[in-house]
Amino acid sequence: DQQVKQNSPSLSVQEGRISILNCDYTNSMFDYFLWYKKYPAEGPTFLISISSIKDKNEDGRFTVFLNKSAKHLSLHIVPSQPGDSAVYFCAASMNRDDKIIFGKGTRLHILP
Amino acid sequence: DTGVSQDPRHKITKRGQNVTFRCDPISEHNRLYWYRQTLGQGPEFLTYFQNEAQLEKSRLLSDRFSAERPKGSFSTLEIQRTEQGDSAMYLCASSSILDLATEAFFGQGTRLTVV
Repeated sequence: DQQVKQNSPSLSVQEGRISILNCDYTNSMFDYFLWYKKYPAEGPTFLISISSIKDKNEDGRFTVFLNKSAKHLSLHIVPSQPGDSAVYFCAASMNRDDKIIFGKGTRLHILP
Repeated sequence: DTGVSQDPRHKITKRGQNVTFRCDPISEHNRLYWYRQTLGQGPEFLTYFQNEAQLEKSRLLSDRFSAERPKGSFSTLEIQRTEQGDSAMYLCASSSILDLATEAFFGQGTRLTVV
């Protein structure tokens, strides 16, 4: 029972262009959403989060959009840089204090 | 503070042996989580603690797995009678839910290989 779904296992984007990573969730009780980034042989690193009371949160080159009615969120990276090549995990929890449920991840390749 | 520390980084064990992993969280963090990650999957929740209290354990977790956080600081995860299917990366994370709430910060993980 995959409550957080990332349907694209991989994505390739030209350097300087926009990267858009998508995520869907099934549990309507989720009200806090996060994105983590992971390099090989390292643990996941927190990137950005959004509460369900918002529909957008921006931090530098990273913006997360939340569409509650569609149970969908996306991460936009603009402009994409070579160092952005990594696996990105979408995650959700029922409140900020609850356990975090992760998706399977999307591997992002930034092409020169 | 250098972040969440996990020990060992790698462990190879024979099937049927017991193994124990240690996690040292960021010092002021009162929440500690254990996750397991296999190839091509996201981190799978195992259990978590608030201070020394274990708040939840995954229903999918075998009874061979046990975790402790005796003094509300470091934590150990023990796997008894290991099986090949236990081979995975075991990740620990910590966070604070006090006034300065933080997101979960992960350690580098312990890679377990059961042969």
